[in-house]
Amino acid sequence: DAGVIQSPRHEVTEMGQEVTLRCKPISGHDYLFWYRQTMMRGLELLIYFNNNVPIDDSGMPEDRFSAKMPNASFSTLKIQPSEPRDSAVYFCASSHGTGGYDYGYTFGSGTRLTVV
Amino acid sequence: TQLLEQSPQFLSIQEGENLTVYCNSSSVFSSLQWYRQEPGEGPVLLVTVVTGGEVKKLKRLTFQFGDARKDSSLHITAAQPGDTGLYLCAGSNFGNEKLTFGTGTRLTIIP
Repeated sequence: DAGVIQSPRHEVTEMGQEVTLRCKPISGHDYLFWYRQTMMRGLELLIYFNNNVPIDDSGMPEDRFSAKMPNASFSTLKIQPSEPRDSAVYFCASSHGTGGYDYGYTFGSGTRLTVV
Repeated sequence: TQLLEQSPQFLSIQEGENLTVYCNSSSVFSSLQWYRQEPGEGPVLLVTVVTGGEVKKLKRLTFQFGDARKDSSLHITAAQPGDTGLYLCAGSNFGNEKLTFGTGTRLTIIP
């Protein structure tokens, strides 16, 4: 298995531009999570899906952020408009469920977003 | 909100030394996981502990879950440069798929 695939690996954009981050989870995993990591705040859960349905989006910082999962093999996280404070590493992770109890989460390599 | 505090935040030691890092919370968790993250990569699962007092060993790494399931420790024996990385604990509760991650310990092993 190729693992969780995220693209792009790096994104540099100007303030006000739209940014779309992409994720392909591991086949057969029914949970997908989007996290954001910064030095100041560590790993923060933004939103997670179960069987393509958003379950908890309480971590989404504001309306500028949106996430979709149109099918079991693809998810996007969109920021529109982007701001410098959105600069962070964004991770996608997938799991079989049960709180990651048995198998844990499998993380992608992340997208490093820089908004200038 | 359940919080997980890890200590120390940074640790730098010589190769061959032993070390322990801690993960503490005021809340009870059903299970706790430890992950290691290397630069430019996502966290990778090391172990899951679920029973209060449980001890698990992974080669030179020993993980313990506190009796009250509010804390955990990771002990590394004879540290090697390959152990360098960010160590994260993460807690979960049955019926909730979310993992709450700790603040992390950034470990550097000096050859």
